Amino acid sequence: GESVGLHLPTLSVQEGDNSIINCAYSNSASDYFIWYKQESGKGPQFIIDIRSNMDKRQGQRVTVLLNKTVKHLSLQIAATQPGDSAVYFCAERSGGSYIPTFGRGTSLIVHP
Amino acid sequence: DGGITQSPKYLFRKEGQNVTLSCEQNLNHDAMYWYRQDPGQGLRLIYYSQIVNDFQKGDIAEGYSVSREKKESFPLTVTSAQKNPTAFYLCASKRGGERQPQHFGDGTRLSIL
Repeated sequence: GESVGLHLPTLSVQEGDNSIINCAYSNSASDYFIWYKQESGKGPQFIIDIRSNMDKRQGQRVTVLLNKTVKHLSLQIAATQPGDSAVYFCAERSGGSYIPTFGRGTSLIVHP
Repeated sequence: DGGITQSPKYLFRKEGQNVTLSCEQNLNHDAMYWYRQDPGQGLRLIYYSQIVNDFQKGDIAEGYSVSREKKESFPLTVTSAQKNPTAFYLCASKRGGERQPQHFGDGTRLSIL
């Protein structure tokens, strides 16, 4: 099960740098993955998704990479801006289930 | 604009009181969900509904109840049986089909008086 704690993993970057946020999953049957961004006091906002038949998918300033061999997902944000500061978390869905499993998230702090 | 509206944004509950959180969506989504978010934790599923007049318990349904009388609405009642209700509650909806993302409202923060 998930560890319980008040403090999320934190990634601090300088404005303009590229950011890489990682997510590990354990279920080899997971076939659909989603990244969300959550700003303080707001609901999660969909960023990008990827299906298990893909290794990479690009959006506007974001790229998601999927490595099924090691069950690892990453979100790359290019030219990070202060407005990107938020908690980012991944979700995975296993085949046959309509309910995704959410990770705890990583807090991204962008310094101007 | 289409979206999910949760109200109120802040809610206070007295001991022994039931409170109801509202969730309305105009996205024409079939499925709706309620999650609880505690500091530093992932989202935990309370209840979900795939279709009108049908709903299922999630991982932490005890002390909560829901109804789904209309496609657009999925209210959550936090009953007095829920002894630790202080949390951020999130409602989500999703288009039909397995590989579709959930879309979330902006949450209701519930506190105990």
